[in-house]
Amino acid sequence: AQSVTQLDSQVPVFEEAPVELRCNYSSSVSVYLFWYVQYPNQGLQLLLKYLSGSTLVKGINGFEAEFNKSQTSFHLRKPSVHISDTAEYFCAVTLNYGGSQGNLIFGKGTKLSVKP
Amino acid sequence: GAGVSQSPRYKVTKRGQDVALRCDPISGHVSLYWYRQALGQGPEFLTYFNYEAQQDKSGLPNDRFSAERPEGSISTLTIQRTEQRDSAMYRCASSGRLAGVLETQYFGPGTRLLVL
Repeated sequence: AQSVTQLDSQVPVFEEAPVELRCNYSSSVSVYLFWYVQYPNQGLQLLLKYLSGSTLVKGINGFEAEFNKSQTSFHLRKPSVHISDTAEYFCAVTLNYGGSQGNLIFGKGTKLSVKP
Repeated sequence: GAGVSQSPRYKVTKRGQDVALRCDPISGHVSLYWYRQALGQGPEFLTYFNYEAQQDKSGLPNDRFSAERPEGSISTLTIQRTEQRDSAMYRCASSGRLAGVLETQYFGPGTRLLVL
């Protein structure tokens, strides 16, 4: 079975500091990887995804993530955060095979709190 | 509208009552997914549709839960004889073509269900 582990439930950080949100996954088959963000009172929004190719993926709002197959990780990074980045971030995977239906398996989420 | 909408946004009900949660996907989207998110957890897959056909309901927790999408557009998730453990955020997502990992899932704002 597949699973996603987000190692930090909460990450406080000061504005303009760098941040890394960690994500590890477990799967016996190849997967695609995603990061979603949820702002207060809004739905989940896709930040970025890794399907194939370059292991460094750039997303919206200055975020990027790097797929590391040997470490089964997909950590999310931003070099300088803003107050507006305060939100909950979810890492997710879906199976990479022809019959996959595309349903997402999510981690428990990491709450990023950016302080002035 | 431009995005996925869900109604009601909040629902408070008494144990034993039936509830119906509605999802209106992005116009023209073929695939529709339902997820449930308990407090402090990530979303968990419940079921999904391609057009009006329910392709997979393996995530539905028991036979009190059912879903339909009779005309291939709006979907309703029904919970019969609600129990307190059903309290959660229920999320709907839609994607453009047949369910597949290359299609981004767009999420609605969710319905917060509280069973007293």
